[in-house]
Amino acid sequence: GAGVSQSPSNKVTEKGKDVELRCDPISGHTALYWYRQSLGQGLEFLIYFQGNSAPDKSGLPSDRFSAERTGGSVSTLTIQRTQQEDSAVYLCASSPAGAREQFFGPGTRLTVL
Amino acid sequence: QKEVEQNSGPLSVPEGAIASLNCTYSDRGSQSFFWYRQYSGKSPELIMSIYSNGDKEDGRFTAQLNKASQYVSLLIRDSQPSDSATYLCAVRYGGSQGNLIFGKGTKLSVKP
Repeated sequence: GAGVSQSPSNKVTEKGKDVELRCDPISGHTALYWYRQSLGQGLEFLIYFQGNSAPDKSGLPSDRFSAERTGGSVSTLTIQRTQQEDSAVYLCASSPAGAREQFFGPGTRLTVL
Repeated sequence: QKEVEQNSGPLSVPEGAIASLNCTYSDRGSQSFFWYRQYSGKSPELIMSIYSNGDKEDGRFTAQLNKASQYVSLLIRDSQPSDSATYLCAVRYGGSQGNLIFGKGTKLSVKP
C-alpha cells in the first residue's frame, strides 16, 4: 500500500519568507509526528498529533513554528520568517491507532538562503 | 534530560561477518525500543522493534534488550554490502504512542 508522502521534496527559500510543508500519512493512521534532522544531528521531535489534536507540541523550537492537522489526515507544518538555522530535512511519520511503530515519509529538504 | 547514546562509528566489518551495534538510554521508564536503518539521503526505515527483555530475531537481524543495564543492541548476521547505512536507535519513554527519542546513529560499512 501507499506509504507516508510529503511535499515538496525540496524547498529553497530566502531568509524571512514563510514556508509550508505537507504530510499525507498512511491511510487510517491516527497518529502523526513531525521530526527534523539537521546535518550531523539526530532526529529531533517537533510535534505529535492524535487525530486532529496535538497533545505534545513540546519540540517546536520557537513560536515561528506551527502545525495543524485536518480531517484526521493531512498535516501542514508552517515555518514563519525562516532563518538559516531552520535548514534541515523535515520528516513526517505516522502510526495506526494503538501501535507503537512509526513509519517515516521521504522528508522535505528545506534550505534557507 | 532523556538521552539515547550510540557510538557514531564508522563501524567497518567484512562481508559475511556479524555486525554488532549498541545503544544505551538514560531513562528507566522506557518501554519501547526501535532500530531504524537510514541510507544516505533517504529517510529512516524501521527494521526491528523490541519491548521485552531478551532477544528478538527477524531474518539476519537480532535485537537484544537488557532493561536492567539500559542497553539495547542490534546484531546483523552474514553482513552484506547492502547493509552499509546509518543505524538509528530510538526509544519511547512510556505509553504506546508519543514521540521517539533518537540516538545520532552508528554508521556501518560492510566491505566486500
